Amino acid sequence: QKEVEQNSGPLSVPEGAIASLNCTYSDRGSQSFFWYRQYSGKSPELIMSIYSNGDKEDGRFTAQLNKASQYVSLLIRDSQPSDSATYLCAVTDTGGFKTIFGAGTRLFVKA
Amino acid sequence: DTAVSQTPKYLVTQMGNDKSIKCEQNLGHDTMYWYKQDSKKFLKIMFSYNNKELIINETVPNRFSPKSPDKAHLNLHINSLELGDSAVYFCASSQGAGSNSPLHFGNGTRLTVT
Repeated sequence: QKEVEQNSGPLSVPEGAIASLNCTYSDRGSQSFFWYRQYSGKSPELIMSIYSNGDKEDGRFTAQLNKASQYVSLLIRDSQPSDSATYLCAVTDTGGFKTIFGAGTRLFVKA
Repeated sequence: DTAVSQTPKYLVTQMGNDKSIKCEQNLGHDTMYWYKQDSKKFLKIMFSYNNKELIINETVPNRFSPKSPDKAHLNLHINSLELGDSAVYFCASSQGAGSNSPLHFGNGTRLTVT
């Protein structure tokens, strides 16, 4: 079983729609959860971090965490063409020493 | 101003050669990492150093040898390069091992072995 699983996509949404990205993880002791955005040829950049169950909102982005279900999601409201990128879900291991990445979901926002 | 910088940006070399990648961070972080991103874009941790001490060493061939002269620098030396080593190598840093803090990445080094 992969440690962090994401649907590789591509996920295609029209401009202005809500994009929903999902992630599951296997380590029940994980304490920290991150979403990174990676444009083609660029390095990953942090867009959201979440540490406790529930929702966390930052601008057009909302991260959702459900530790009982071992599930993390990212919602992007009012999607823009500039949001087209690969979104990487990342989870720290139980000790917090290692950050493990999913394979990423490619998002395309059509103008 | 660059928080995590690594050099070179591109590295093209032949099989069997030895090469090094350098990384420096000016964020005052205690922990630095090397990640490898393969052609399928999967990011996999290779090594982690906390205050110059090796704390994570994943299943990486011993042709790869990291070295941290101080907590702001982490270099990666690769001996006897193979075709399968072609990938993008990212250096990253975080506040401290076990702190659950996010990673800050360098711009990556694209290594091509021919």
